Amino acid sequence: DIQMTQSPSSLSASVGDRVTITCRASQGISTYLNWYQQKPGKAPNILIYGASSLQSGVPSRFSGSGSGTDFTLTIGSLQPEDFATYFCQQTYYTPRTFGQGTKLEI
Amino acid sequence: VHLVESGGGVVQPGRSLRLSCAASGFNFRSYALHWVRQAPGKGLEWVAVIWSDAITTYYGDSVRGRLTISRDNPKNMLYLQINNLRADDTAVYYCARESGGAVPEHLDYWGQGTLVTVSS
Repeated sequence: DIQMTQSPSSLSASVGDRVTITCRASQGISTYLNWYQQKPGKAPNILIYGASSLQSGVPSRFSGSGSGTDFTLTIGSLQPEDFATYFCQQTYYTPRTFGQGTKLEI
Repeated sequence: VHLVESGGGVVQPGRSLRLSCAASGFNFRSYALHWVRQAPGKGLEWVAVIWSDAITTYYGDSVRGRLTISRDNPKNMLYLQINNLRADDTAVYYCARESGGAVPEHLDYWGQGTLVTVSS
């Protein structure tokens, strides 16, 4: 299976900060990489698909980049509602696999 | 788009359980559907997918052979049959719709989840 490794596992930041989360695939996955946000007790929510395409309705402060094995999710200026856990997911190989998550804390 | 899971609860090890996901607000028979689970305090684990043809299925390595995904297109229902339940099946189970059309695959709508607890 493709292993997806996120770093860091947790991150402390402040409102207004610029934050970057990375995701590394154990094999090349082109741009078949998605990012989800999950808040406690809620289902995940798609943010970015195809490595860099912003899901409709998602604020433009979220952006994604990368291809092959290395990807990044950037939040341009943290807002209070952005404190959550973020997961990457590859959709190039079956089984689909998720990263272990990055918890973004105040 | 609305996805509502049901069927979770407390189940003894070794027993079986069928989860359901009722879908509405979209052309159900045109979309692939997934199950994703999340153990308490843990990350997301992809479980299975069933294509719109209701025939093609794929499973995660840890569940293959014990779990069966199925769908009833006329009833707009998705199912997950879990046999020989184990403690490590304890999780919130989410159903999710796969994006359609020409966009890269992603899970664009999720249900609220149903909790399965395996305990004697």
